[in-house]
Amino acid sequence: RKEVEQDPGPFNVPEGATVAFNCTYSNSASQSFFWYRQDCRKEPKLLMSVYSSGNEDGRFTAQLNRASQYISLLIRDSKLSDSATYLCVVGRSASKIIFGSGTRLSIRP
Amino acid sequence: GAGVSQTPSNKVTEKGKYVELRCDPISGHTALYWYRQSLGQGPEFLIYFQGTGAADDSGLPNDRFFAVRPEGSVSTLKIQRTERGDSAVYLCASSLGPTGSQETQYFGPGTRLLVL
Repeated sequence: RKEVEQDPGPFNVPEGATVAFNCTYSNSASQSFFWYRQDCRKEPKLLMSVYSSGNEDGRFTAQLNRASQYISLLIRDSKLSDSATYLCVVGRSASKIIFGSGTRLSIRP
Repeated sequence: GAGVSQTPSNKVTEKGKYVELRCDPISGHTALYWYRQSLGQGPEFLIYFQGTGAADDSGLPNDRFFAVRPEGSVSTLKIQRTERGDSAVYLCASSLGPTGSQETQYFGPGTRLLVL
């Protein structure tokens, strides 16, 4: 079993829709949580950190559920430019930073 | 300011050859990471430097892989006797360091290695 698991998708949704995906992690000692975005043939870029109380950045909302060991990402009013792969990242220490395999999202006009 | 840079952007080599991949981190970043990413997968950790020393090299797959960061800035990943299975995108990332896993990592554009 992988330490960080994501539904690979693809999620194919119309522009303007709300889409959400989850990521589960297996190590309860995990301390830090992030969502990164990766465009095709590009490097990953930080989308947002995920805090225990949940956090929002514009159309994006991230939640952490420590009891069930998952994090989620919600995208409201999706744009064509949101099409990308979303990587869930979980960290336990400076070097133990584990990336999920990513969830592919495609927004159609 | 300048981001993380990696050279070359693409490298094609033959099985058994030696390759070096270079990473220039963001100035002032003490933490540097190397990852390997295969198609359809997330980045897989290879090695982590804090300053000049390799703080964690547990992700290196075998002794054909080695990385250095002699002056605490530029790093070179070296692969000896390349195999076809080494073909992947090699990503370098840096972060301000040294407060651990909470910090944002900034990635370079990667080196696409193809071993024929």
